[in-house]
Amino acid sequence: GEDVEQSLFLSVREGDSSVINCTYTDSSSTYLYWYKQEPGAGLQLLTYIFSNMDMKQDQRLTVLLNKKDKHLSLRIADTQTGDSAIYFCAEAGGYQKVTFGIGTKLQVIP
Amino acid sequence: DVKVTQSSRYLVKRTGEKVFLECVQDMDHENMFWYRQDPGLGLRLIYFSYDVKMKEKGDIPEGYSVSREKKERFSLILESASTNQTSMYLCASRTGTWNTGELFFGEGSRLTVL
Repeated sequence: GEDVEQSLFLSVREGDSSVINCTYTDSSSTYLYWYKQEPGAGLQLLTYIFSNMDMKQDQRLTVLLNKKDKHLSLRIADTQTGDSAIYFCAEAGGYQKVTFGIGTKLQVIP
Repeated sequence: DVKVTQSSRYLVKRTGEKVFLECVQDMDHENMFWYRQDPGLGLRLIYFSYDVKMKEKGDIPEGYSVSREKKERFSLILESASTNQTSMYLCASRTGTWNTGELFFGEGSRLTVL
């Protein structure tokens, strides 16, 4: 079945760039997503990329997709303490099925 | 503003009790989902519904059932709660007939089964 993998934890200093990586297995994925979850809250969509794109930039966020290697990354420029959260990679493959990774906890050190 | 509302943020129930988790969306979305979130396991799909009275099993449906009598409301039912169902439950909704578009999530319902 589909699988999405990401590392559990990332720590960066305020002002540095953060890069969160994700790999997925479903080659038929159409959309790939990055969601953010702050403590005690639901998930909020940060950005997404179509599978026929290599890169998408949205203000401080850059998403890179290597479809050959099934690798997705999220880069956050000038990371702020307010970016501390759990970040979920997700892929949309089969009908209505969205598969999530386990989430990467980003800790921003002031 | 789009909104998915889960009726209870925190619940404490006893083993064997019947538990209802309610979710309402105000976006006229066809599709609604129930996930559970556990540390180290991420989000796992329990059930989803693509239309009123329609439902499909997700990855972990055992021990759960769902009800969708109205388009805006999707309920998750634990017929006889067990301690291994202690978890965070997240409801989501989405428009569209295929796997496109953003999933909108509620704030979550944290269930503790004693």
